[in-house]
Amino acid sequence: GIQVEQSPPDLILQEGANSTLRCNFSDSVNNLQWFHQNPWGQLINLFYIPSGTKQNGRLSATTVATERYSLLYISSSQTTDSGVYFCAVGDTGGFKTIFGAGTRLFVKA
Amino acid sequence: GAVVSQHPSRVICKSGTSVKIECRSLDFQATTMFWYRQFPKQSLMLMATSNEGSKATYEQGVEKDKFLINHASLTLSTLTVTSAHPEDSSFYICSARDVGWDRKNTEAFFGQGTRLTVV
Repeated sequence: GIQVEQSPPDLILQEGANSTLRCNFSDSVNNLQWFHQNPWGQLINLFYIPSGTKQNGRLSATTVATERYSLLYISSSQTTDSGVYFCAVGDTGGFKTIFGAGTRLFVKA
Repeated sequence: GAVVSQHPSRVICKSGTSVKIECRSLDFQATTMFWYRQFPKQSLMLMATSNEGSKATYEQGVEKDKFLINHASLTLSTLTVTSAHPEDSSFYICSARDVGWDRKNTEAFFGQGTRLTVV
């Protein structure tokens, strides 16, 4: 099946810093989403981005489907950005959403 | 975005009993729902795909007789953990998607999750 790799696995930032999270996938995908899992376990939809670039406030994402990767940019990080960021892809053969291992982000005040 | 409601959010049960978890799509019809399991500090692992009106498709290694899935309507799927053991303690999350007629994937939305503790 399709493999999804995220990097870095862990990231510690000082408040106000910028960061880039990466997601590589091993095969063609129908779609790609970025999520933020909060401390209570809720998955927050950040972007639905099978291709192209989107921006939402301090967050933006870019997916280059032909090269099988996606990037999530966080600018001017805040302590509330802490948590786990997941990349998840939908394979072309069915309807499954497969998750990467996640990037655990901690933003220090 | 669309809303998926999962209930209960937290449950504690005794070994040997069964627990039912409900997943509802509140403002759209979900032809397909998914059940995931997440252990502490790990990613979400897909357990099964639930299709309205048909049998669920289980991932390799998931016991279908232990994790019973029913998707009786376009807005409700249930996961029943039967004869629960302490090793079944985990965080269970459901997801719903309204798959278009051309069978392309669309955006997936997730419930709040259910933290199951078996004692």
